Amino acid sequence: EDQVTQSPEALRLQEGESSSLNCSYTVSGLRGLFWYRQDPGKGPEFLFTLYSAGEEKEKERLKATLTKKESFLHITAPKPEDSATYLCAVQGHTNAGKSTFGDGTTLTVKP
Amino acid sequence: NAGVTQTPKFQVLKTGQSMTLQCAQDMNHEYMSWYRQDPGMGLRLIHYSVGAGITDQGEVPNGYNVSRSTTEDFPLRLLSAAPSQTSVYFCASSPGTGSTEAFFGQGTRLTVV
Repeated sequence: EDQVTQSPEALRLQEGESSSLNCSYTVSGLRGLFWYRQDPGKGPEFLFTLYSAGEEKEKERLKATLTKKESFLHITAPKPEDSATYLCAVQGHTNAGKSTFGDGTTLTVKP
Repeated sequence: NAGVTQTPKFQVLKTGQSMTLQCAQDMNHEYMSWYRQDPGMGLRLIHYSVGAGITDQGEVPNGYNVSRSTTEDFPLRLLSAAPSQTSVYFCASSPGTGSTEAFFGQGTRLTVV
C-alpha cells in the first residue's frame, strides 16, 4: 500500500525566512510524485511532477527535489502570498494511475 | 476555458436522503476522479474512471456510486446520506493515467445532519 507522510503539519515563517517542507513516501515503483498548493476554500492547484531520484524543478520561490524515499519543497525568501496548504501525492506502477495524498503542510508567512 | 466545474458548491442533506454531485470537464480528459477531504487531512480517493463507460473503486467507495456515460461528465451519487459523509468533495481530471497532473474543481461542501 502506498503511503505519504508530510511534515511539519504547520509551519509559520517570517517574510524572507527560507525553509523546507518534507514529504516521505513508500510506493511500489514510483511513477510520479506531485506537489499541489491549496488555498482555503479552493481545490488543489498543480505545482510540480518529479519522476526520478535526483530530479529538481523550480517555479518562482519554490524548488522541489526528489530522493528515493522523500521529496522536499524548498521555499526561498517567502512572501505572505505563499501562505497555503501544500499537498504531496504519489502514483505507483501497481496502482494504475491512482494518487495517494499526504495530509499536507499548512504554511503561514507573516509580513 | 472553464476546466473542471462542480455543482453545487454547498449542500445540506438530512440523514437518509440521496443526491448527486455533478462534475463536468471541458478539456477532453480521459481520467476523472472523485476525492473527499476531511478537516486537516489530505484527499482520499472515492471512485475513478479511465474513460467513458469504465469506472472503478478507490480507497473509500462505500456509500457512493458513479457512472461515466460521456467523456465530459462524472457524477457522484450518495445513495443514503450519513453524517460520516459530511466532507468537502473534489472532482479532478487528467489527460491520462500515466503520471500526469490533475486539474481540480472548486469543491462541494456537503453537510449531512
